[in-house]
Amino acid sequence: GEDVEQSLFLSVREGDSSVINCTYTDSSSTYLYWYKQEPGAGLQLLTYIFSNMDMKQDQRLTVLLNKKDKHLSLRIADTQTGDSAIYFCAESIWNAGNMLTFGGGTRLMVKP
Amino acid sequence: DAGITQSPRYKITETGRQVTLMCHQTWSHSYMFWYRQDLGHGLRLIYYSAAADITDKGEVPDGYVVSRSKTENFPLTLESATRSQTSVYFCASSESAADEAFFGQGTRLTVV
Repeated sequence: GEDVEQSLFLSVREGDSSVINCTYTDSSSTYLYWYKQEPGAGLQLLTYIFSNMDMKQDQRLTVLLNKKDKHLSLRIADTQTGDSAIYFCAESIWNAGNMLTFGGGTRLMVKP
Repeated sequence: DAGITQSPRYKITETGRQVTLMCHQTWSHSYMFWYRQDLGHGLRLIYYSAAADITDKGEVPDGYVVSRSKTENFPLTLESATRSQTSVYFCASSESAADEAFFGQGTRLTVV
């Protein structure tokens, strides 16, 4: 199966770290992605990780991948109110034409 | 304007009517995609196209028709709209299936 699951909601205080989690079921995934959707807008790619990597860091963003547990996380350091959005994880699967399969999205609310 | 644009942004239609959502991209990307976004389901792929005149079904194609006569356009038609097709529709494009997908702003469709 190609299920990608995320928790629905996360609330943090400004300045704290946020950790958004995602689990997937297909071990054939090639890349795993994190997209951000702000209100009324389309999705923007935040970062991605190749499936043979364990970690990727990009400024305030850290992606951790545990292939054994099929678990992906996105850590946002020093979370700001502008980080409030819906975050989607997605996987591309090599034997499905690399089409993206999205999770349901996690709504991050950052309180001042 | 450069980028990927969808029209209309908002549409209300009646059950049984035919409605077409437009998508236009200026990058000459090979791949184009249509997703629908519903609460609890995240984004689900309706149809995609790997090149002009090549289209294929995604996860939820029933009730939809697409065409790709030109690389830059990928219209999505609901032949006989149903209330279950009330959703937000996103078009996306990418150079290849594994490359970053760029999303349009979305079309909010309400079927009454």
